Amino acid sequence: EAQVTQNPRYLITVTGKKLTVTCSQNMNHEYMSWYRQDPGLGLRQIYYSMNVEVTDKGDVPEGYKVSRKEKRNFPLILESPSPNQTSLYFCATGGGPNQPQHFGDGTRLSIL
Amino acid sequence: ILNVEQSPQSLHVQEGDSTNFTCSFPSSNFYALHWYRWETAKSPEALFVMTLNGDEKKKGRISATLNTKEGYSYLYIKGSQPEDSATYLCACRNNYGQNFVFGPGTRLSVLP
Repeated sequence: EAQVTQNPRYLITVTGKKLTVTCSQNMNHEYMSWYRQDPGLGLRQIYYSMNVEVTDKGDVPEGYKVSRKEKRNFPLILESPSPNQTSLYFCATGGGPNQPQHFGDGTRLSIL
Repeated sequence: ILNVEQSPQSLHVQEGDSTNFTCSFPSSNFYALHWYRWETAKSPEALFVMTLNGDEKKKGRISATLNTKEGYSYLYIKGSQPEDSATYLCACRNNYGQNFVFGPGTRLSVLP
């Protein structure tokens, strides 16, 4: 079964405590991406990756890092989280820009 | 940053009504447009990927058209059902970058 798995699904943490949200896919997709969703703002792309070791900034990359050491994994790293990063995060994967994206179930982060 | 707009912001229709909504995007350097359906408490699911001017796609009672010269796409739902209630998102990519920009969505409520 085609899957995009995000962990954790929910996390409450404090300002400055480094955290990582993992994303794993089993579809051998080259394209992977992270979005955040905030009320009234829609989905905004944070970072994306076209392939292993190839990553690029989306529209709102500040405060985030990513890595793509393996094709199946694309973790999102918050080195020093702040309250304005409280949001719902989605990982998505796709076979290419002309292919639909498949979304994970989402991770709700609360930074106190 | 690519600007993608959707209208209306929200829509209430009666069961059985047909409805449509709009996604607007810059016509220059267009590459691809995606439509997604997003139900509450779930993750977005792909409906259509459209790339060519004049494209028409259909899936059951839902169809979409694309006009890249004037920069818009329409999504149509024929004979709306309560299970069609969701937020409908469009996402656009242009030739300048590999990132996708999502519109804010149209929230559809179908009343039984």
